[in-house]
Amino acid sequence: DAGVTQSPTHLIKTRGQHVTLRCSPISGHKSVSWYQQVLGQGPQFIFQYYEKEERGRGNFPDRFSARQFPNYSSELNVNALLLGDSALYLCASSLIPTDTQYFGPGTRLTVL
Amino acid sequence: QQQVKQSPQSLIVQKGGIPIINCAYENTAFDYFPWYQQFPGKGPALLIAIRPDVSEKKEGRFTISFNKSAKQFSLHIMDSQPGDSATYFCAASMVGSGNTPLVFGKGTRLSVIA
Repeated sequence: DAGVTQSPTHLIKTRGQHVTLRCSPISGHKSVSWYQQVLGQGPQFIFQYYEKEERGRGNFPDRFSARQFPNYSSELNVNALLLGDSALYLCASSLIPTDTQYFGPGTRLTVL
Repeated sequence: QQQVKQSPQSLIVQKGGIPIINCAYENTAFDYFPWYQQFPGKGPALLIAIRPDVSEKKEGRFTISFNKSAKQFSLHIMDSQPGDSATYFCAASMVGSGNTPLVFGKGTRLSVIA
């Protein structure tokens, strides 16, 4: 079975631009979470979605938003990019929110 | 405030040695403690996880020891190999209360030298 897939793999943007990152969960998984991993740090929770509803939000500004589609895939949107948004953005899926989370390979975002 | 403190930051061991990575937490509501392994350019992969109702769990060469009273848990890698060289993260969440986002430690970079 395919694992969690994310696209694109790498992305370079300039300050002030907008970015959309995409995630496809493992087949059958209905919950998706997004994490930001800055170089040299552990992942930090951004959002969790389950059955298209937001279940949780981490300590991130309103420039960050997300949604989950009927097929359980998800998008993370970041507006007005800042240099500090440069990071690896990870998507994790689970059968239900309380189940084990499996991570995708991430999208490396560089903001210049 | 860092909710999960992980040490050491980096670790170098000889092949066959037993690296030990430690984590401590403050929030007693945490009830699920996984360990993830991450190679450069990859996402974290689940290694092993433990709940607070047991003091030890072993899967292959990986063992978690859990001390509920001290609010500490650790990962031991038996007979370490160069292929185990990676960054290891401990994490915690409150599954029982439905609060499931993972809170990660800062990671330990392990190097196993032949």
